[in-house]
Amino acid sequence: EPEVTQTPSHQVTQMGQEVILRCVPISNHLYFYWYRQILGQKVEFLVSFYNNEISEKSEIFDDQFSVERPDGSNFTLKIRSTKLEDSAMYFCASSVETVAYEQYFGPGTRLTVT
Amino acid sequence: AQKITQTQPGMFVQEKEAVTLDCTYDTSDQSYGLFWYKQPSSGEMIFLIYQGSYDEQNATEGRYSLNFQKARKSANLVISASQLGDSAMYFCAMREFSGNTGKLIFGQGTTLQVKP
Repeated sequence: EPEVTQTPSHQVTQMGQEVILRCVPISNHLYFYWYRQILGQKVEFLVSFYNNEISEKSEIFDDQFSVERPDGSNFTLKIRSTKLEDSAMYFCASSVETVAYEQYFGPGTRLTVT
Repeated sequence: AQKITQTQPGMFVQEKEAVTLDCTYDTSDQSYGLFWYKQPSSGEMIFLIYQGSYDEQNATEGRYSLNFQKARKSANLVISASQLGDSAMYFCAMREFSGNTGKLIFGQGTTLQVKP
């Protein structure tokens, strides 16, 4: 069964460093998303991406964040200068369409900023 | 504004019994979808069940069913015949169809523990 994959599974970085989280969505999916989950809290929407552009972003997704689909398979989230409060689990998700279709989530990348 | 409320931070259920996890939502959209996801201790998010706002029948998927009461804006998840492997965090989520960006809004989650 096709699945969303994410690398790395765990990333430790120092405050102020740039990180890139990588995702490979399911191959025939067209819509891509990033969510984050601070430990013990709910899952929060960051950004949605379709047709090589951002379709919606949340207030959390400020200028420190960017997304890219550099080739036909990868979908990346970059955090330019990490802060302590960026420590969280980051989930990538993809779906065939936006409406009435479930989003398939990857296993997540746990980001720890020290 | 969209909002999802899960009022039960934690629930216990005896193995083989049924359990209901509550979810209420708030939206001004007429068209929306409601989702339940399971998050085991390993952390991944597993899709369980979906209910569209115009679906007349309650959704069912194996041991999972969704008790959808549109007028009350509730979408409770019912798990029948609980198994030890059902112990996990459960999230209710909603997507409004207007705007069509696919954004999911999640509730705070309910931790379910199944007792042997």
